Amino acid sequence: QQPVQSPQAVILREGEDAVINCSSSKALYSVHWYRQKHGEAPVFLMILLKGGEQKGHDKISASFNEKKQQSSLYLTASQLSYSGTYFCGTEHFGNEKLTFGTGTRLTIIP
Amino acid sequence: NAGVTQTPKFQVLKTGQSMTLQCAQDMNHEYMSWYRQDPGMGLRLIHYSVGAGITDQGEVPNGYNVSRSTTEDFPLRLLSAAPSQTSVYFCASSLDRLNSPLHFGNGTRLTVT
Repeated sequence: QQPVQSPQAVILREGEDAVINCSSSKALYSVHWYRQKHGEAPVFLMILLKGGEQKGHDKISASFNEKKQQSSLYLTASQLSYSGTYFCGTEHFGNEKLTFGTGTRLTIIP
Repeated sequence: NAGVTQTPKFQVLKTGQSMTLQCAQDMNHEYMSWYRQDPGMGLRLIHYSVGAGITDQGEVPNGYNVSRSTTEDFPLRLLSAAPSQTSVYFCASSLDRLNSPLHFGNGTRLTVT
């Protein structure tokens, strides 16, 4: 079942923060986050496994709330290079399929 | 290493024609998958494979066949192309099923007229 992402689109000025949410109606085993720039392939950002952990590198981090079956991606002090469409992918227990949401388009303006 | 290689990059078919989209990876990844991407619909899983000789259906398998005779190759066959199959197709692979990142190929843009 396809996860729900919100918001669908967001426009930020350089240096501002953003939060992208991903939620599922079924129990999650893992959540993947990818970024795709126009005309290119998706690129991996991070994986979060069940356990409520938070991961991050540089100014991009994510959390995984197993009880609420949702994950959030945090982009702090956004840079122009952060522009693109962000997808979450979810995997459920006993299911080796990664199902993606419809994406969140992030536009960073100077 | 080349990573995940997809061919062709672009293809135009007439309705009813058949073709095979090629996907090869040189990273010794066990897990491979095919997605299609349409505007506003994200990436939808067509078929996937957890190892040579093993394949299974994703969300939108109708009209497509796959096989996995080697670890490296995972071709996607369109049996009788339809305009609804106009899309961008991505092949992806990962080392350890879904506990490791998916590496995507550069995609094949298919138009069916």
